[in-house]
Amino acid sequence: GQQLNQSPQSMFIQEGEDVSMNCTSSSIFNTWLWYKQEPGEGPVLLIALYKAGELTSNGRLTAQFGITRKDSFLNISASIPSDVGIYFCVLRRFRDDKIIFGKGTRLHILP
Amino acid sequence: NAGVTQTPKFRILKIGQSMTLQCTQDMNHNYMYWYRQDPGMGLKLIYYSVGAGITDKGEVPNGYNVSRSTTEDFPLRLELAAPSQTSVYFCASSYSEGLGNTIYFGEGSWLTVV
Repeated sequence: GQQLNQSPQSMFIQEGEDVSMNCTSSSIFNTWLWYKQEPGEGPVLLIALYKAGELTSNGRLTAQFGITRKDSFLNISASIPSDVGIYFCVLRRFRDDKIIFGKGTRLHILP
Repeated sequence: NAGVTQTPKFRILKIGQSMTLQCTQDMNHNYMYWYRQDPGMGLKLIYYSVGAGITDKGEVPNGYNVSRSTTEDFPLRLELAAPSQTSVYFCASSYSEGLGNTIYFGEGSWLTVV
């Protein structure tokens, strides 16, 4: 079956550090979405990627859709306390709209 | 524009009771979804719908039922609540395909079965 690996599972970083997380899939998908979920809330879309090689920024966030269409990374620069939460990569396959969630990367920021 | 609205926000059920989680969206999305999220885990798809009158099972459909009589509404029903259904439930919606097919989530419904 479809494999989607998101890493790392959790991160403990100092405020001000840069953060990098990634997802890899065992097959090709057409859309990569990155979501953030804060405690007690639903996931909120951060960045959407639709083309292989696409690099997109949203403030301090940068994400790229891998050339092979099987991977993506999300970077957060100069982390701040409000970056705390769970970050999910979500894949969507154009052919049948199959949607798969990564297991999430839990970001903790130390003062 | 309210987006995806789900109710109730919190609910405690006794084992064997029934209830319906309501979900409505005002974006004219044809696709709607119900997910559950267990503590420390990602989201698992329960049921989804590609349009009014059409529903399909997701990854974990047992113990749940859905209906889609209108484009806007996609209620999730628990017939005989069990402790294993204690979870956070998220409704979501999207357009079917093409650019802009991102998924929008509701704020979640916290359900505890005791």
